[in-house]
Amino acid sequence: AQRVTQPEKLLSVFKGAPVELKCNYSYSGSPELFWYVQYSRQRLQLLLRHISRESIKGFTADLNKGETSFHLKKPFAQEEDSAMYYCALSNTGNQFYFGTGTSLTVIP
Amino acid sequence: EAGVVQSPRYKIIEKKQPVAFWCNPISGHNTLYWYRQNLGQGPELLIRYENEEAVDDSQLPKDRFSAERLKGVDSTLKIQPAELGDSAVYLCASSLGGDAETQYFGPGTRLLVL
Repeated sequence: AQRVTQPEKLLSVFKGAPVELKCNYSYSGSPELFWYVQYSRQRLQLLLRHISRESIKGFTADLNKGETSFHLKKPFAQEEDSAMYYCALSNTGNQFYFGTGTSLTVIP
Repeated sequence: EAGVVQSPRYKIIEKKQPVAFWCNPISGHNTLYWYRQNLGQGPELLIRYENEEAVDDSQLPKDRFSAERLKGVDSTLKIQPAELGDSAVYLCASSLGGDAETQYFGPGTRLLVL
């Protein structure tokens, strides 16, 4: 069965500090991995997807198949990064599974 | 463009009453998703449509939940009768279609069952 685990419900970092939001998954096939973000009073939106291999708003995420992880990283956190972050997986049947989310707070 | 539109935004009902949610996806998006998000959890897929066909409804509690997308555009999700445990945010999302396409989410409908 597919599963996405985000071990941290809450994460606080100081402005300018590096941030890493953890995501682990379980899936025997080749997954598509995504990070979605929800800013305060806004709707859920795509931040980035591993297949694009791009950096969005300074965030990057690398798919590590050996460790079944897709951690989200940013070298210097900004106050506007404070939001709820969800890791998601899509399987070969195009079914989507979301993690429980990590609430990131960047302290000024 | 307005994006994915959902209505109502909020709904309060008593248990055993019926309730319906409406979703209008982004124009041209063939795939439509309904999710349920319980407090403190991530979205959980209920049903996915490709045009008017429900291609994945394995997580839809079929004894009380139903959905339709008759013309392959807007969609309605219904609960009858509602139970206390159905209190949640119901999200609609749409995508162009194809494998693992980016989903665009609506604002959600927050349901409270008393």
